[in-house]
Amino acid sequence: DVQMTQSPSSLSASVGDRVTITCRASQGVSNWLAWYQQKPEKAPKSLIYGASTLESGVPSRFSGGWSGTDFTLTISSLQPEDFATYYCQQYKDYPPTFGQGTRLDIK
Amino acid sequence: QITLKESGPTLVKPTQTLTLTCTFSGFSLSTSGVAVGWIRQSPGKALEYLALIYWDDDKRYNPSLKSRLTITKDTSKNQVILTMTNMDPVDTATYHCARSYLSTIYYFDFWGQGTLVTVSS
Repeated sequence: DVQMTQSPSSLSASVGDRVTITCRASQGVSNWLAWYQQKPEKAPKSLIYGASTLESGVPSRFSGGWSGTDFTLTISSLQPEDFATYYCQQYKDYPPTFGQGTRLDIK
Repeated sequence: QITLKESGPTLVKPTQTLTLTCTFSGFSLSTSGVAVGWIRQSPGKALEYLALIYWDDDKRYNPSLKSRLTITKDTSKNQVILTMTNMDPVDTATYHCARSYLSTIYYFDFWGQGTLVTVSS
């Protein structure tokens, strides 16, 4: 299985900060990479697919990038509602696999 | 509006069989290209894909759990059912169902909130 390694595992930041979360795949997955946001007791919310395509309704402060097997999720200016846990997922190789998550807390 | 909601027992005993139901609305599993999958989330562990069923009744399972899983659908009721046999305490997790499309298969655009299943005697 493809291993997805996220870093950092947790992050403290303030409203208005720019933050970047990284996800590294253990082998090439092209751009078949998604990002999800999850708040406690809520359903995961899809943010980005195809490594950089925003889902409908997702604010433009979210962006995704990739180079080789390294993927990034950037939030340009943190808003209070962005404090949550973020997961990456590859869906090129079977079975699809997820990163362990990055918890984003208020500093 | 697309919604998915999981239901089933909150507590099962070791060796028992778990049956979970995903009831969805806002889309149809008879529409070409649509699929519904199950993913679980154990405390302190990464999300784990379990199984997926396509609109045409084709089915896919995670090889690591394939011998224990069965996924079926009832299109008339807008439901997908997952059974997992021989439950163990390590299977304690929140179980989510989610929608996918053939064009980006195994990317899940809408998820249910999940149902917590505890395995304990």
